[in-house]
Amino acid sequence: NAGVTQTPKFQVLKTGQSMTLQCAQDMNHEYMSWYRQDPGMGLRLIHYSVGAGITDQGEVPNGYNVSRSTTEDFPLRLLSAAPSQTSVYFCASSRGADPMNTEAFFGQGTRLTVV
Amino acid sequence: AQSVAQPEDQVNVAEGNPLTVKCTYSVSGNPYLFWYVQYPNRGLQFLLKYITGDNLVKGSYGFEAEFNKSQTSFHLKKPSALVSDSALYFCAVRKKDSWGKLQFGAGTQVVVTP
Repeated sequence: NAGVTQTPKFQVLKTGQSMTLQCAQDMNHEYMSWYRQDPGMGLRLIHYSVGAGITDQGEVPNGYNVSRSTTEDFPLRLLSAAPSQTSVYFCASSRGADPMNTEAFFGQGTRLTVV
Repeated sequence: AQSVAQPEDQVNVAEGNPLTVKCTYSVSGNPYLFWYVQYPNRGLQFLLKYITGDNLVKGSYGFEAEFNKSQTSFHLKKPSALVSDSALYFCAVRKKDSWGKLQFGAGTQVVVTP
């Protein structure tokens, strides 16, 4: 079982460049989310989706776009990279309304450096 | 403001001793509570959750957590720590109507020495 797959694992960008972080899950989960992890700050929610065609902003959405055209994929776009976006990015997915199966599954992360 | 607090940046424990990682939260309603573990250069792995019912929740790898509603706490415990338990531990909270939205604490680094 692949679970949640993120690509690439590592990326170095120059300031002002754009790129897309890919996330795919094969568990037919309704909910998908993007988080960034910074030292001493835990994980902070960037954007999330409760189903195909439905997305919403999280705590730190500025500078990022998302779309959800299929249940499986939830790409994160950096529009114009800035050094402040240097971070480790995690994609997560979880099932729908059943509270007994509500835990999130995480990808392995993408370590992004903006120079 | 809603928040999740892990008051200790690091917890040091000798192998074989009990391990406790603290978490308190300030979130309205009766949220769902989670613990995750992160090993170096890896993603987060789910350990356990509290949804409802018994205040003592058992999870993976011998971990358990105690929910205390009056103190709004959800402390992670393990009776006998192993060196392999050394990792970064995160407490997370989700409001019942906030699908897909987890709020995390800052994390606690656990170091277990032989």
